[in-house]
Amino acid sequence: EAGVAQSPRYKIIEKRQSVAFWCNPISGHATLYWYQQILGQGPKLLIQFQNNGVVDDSQLPKDRFSAERLKGVDSTLKIQPAKLEDSAVYLCASSPLSYEQYFGPGTRLTVT
Amino acid sequence: AQSVSQHNHHVILSEAASLELGCNYSYGGTVNLFWYVQYPGQHLQLLLKYFSGDPLVKGIKGFEAEFIKSKFSFNLRKPSVQWSDTAEYFCAVNSGGYQKVTFGTGTKLQVIP
Repeated sequence: EAGVAQSPRYKIIEKRQSVAFWCNPISGHATLYWYQQILGQGPKLLIQFQNNGVVDDSQLPKDRFSAERLKGVDSTLKIQPAKLEDSAVYLCASSPLSYEQYFGPGTRLTVT
Repeated sequence: AQSVSQHNHHVILSEAASLELGCNYSYGGTVNLFWYVQYPGQHLQLLLKYFSGDPLVKGIKGFEAEFIKSKFSFNLRKPSVQWSDTAEYFCAVNSGGYQKVTFGTGTKLQVIP
């Protein structure tokens, strides 16, 4: 079974620039999550999708972050404009239910 | 709001030593509990989970965890660690249904040969 795919793996941008991350979940998994993991901390949920719909986006900084899940499959997370404090690893995970999650390799973002 | 506390941020053990990593959560209702592990250079992966039933759950690679409801705890244990157990361990909780999963800050385990 193919795992969760994410791209790019690494990204370096300057502050105030925009960036987008892509995630392809495991086939058939209805739930998709985006997490932000800052160095030394645990993953923090940014947004959770159930098929096409948003279940939880309470911790998503909506003034600069946006996410969509097209046709209930792939998802993109965008940051515009980026700030220095957005430097982190962005993890995508998927789940057949809202329980056991399967994580992708993450995208390491550095904002300079 | 639910929260998760992991008391040990960095643990160093010699091979064959016993391991216990603490995890406490704050939610008072029904919970699902997880331990995830991240080996160096690898993805986060599920180590074990508790949904209901026997409070002592067994996971991969000889790990186990005990759910003690009265203490709001879900500590991870292994009787004899190996060098290959060097990794970062995350406790996580969700309150069921489509509720979000909250992660602890993680414990870095270093096993010395």
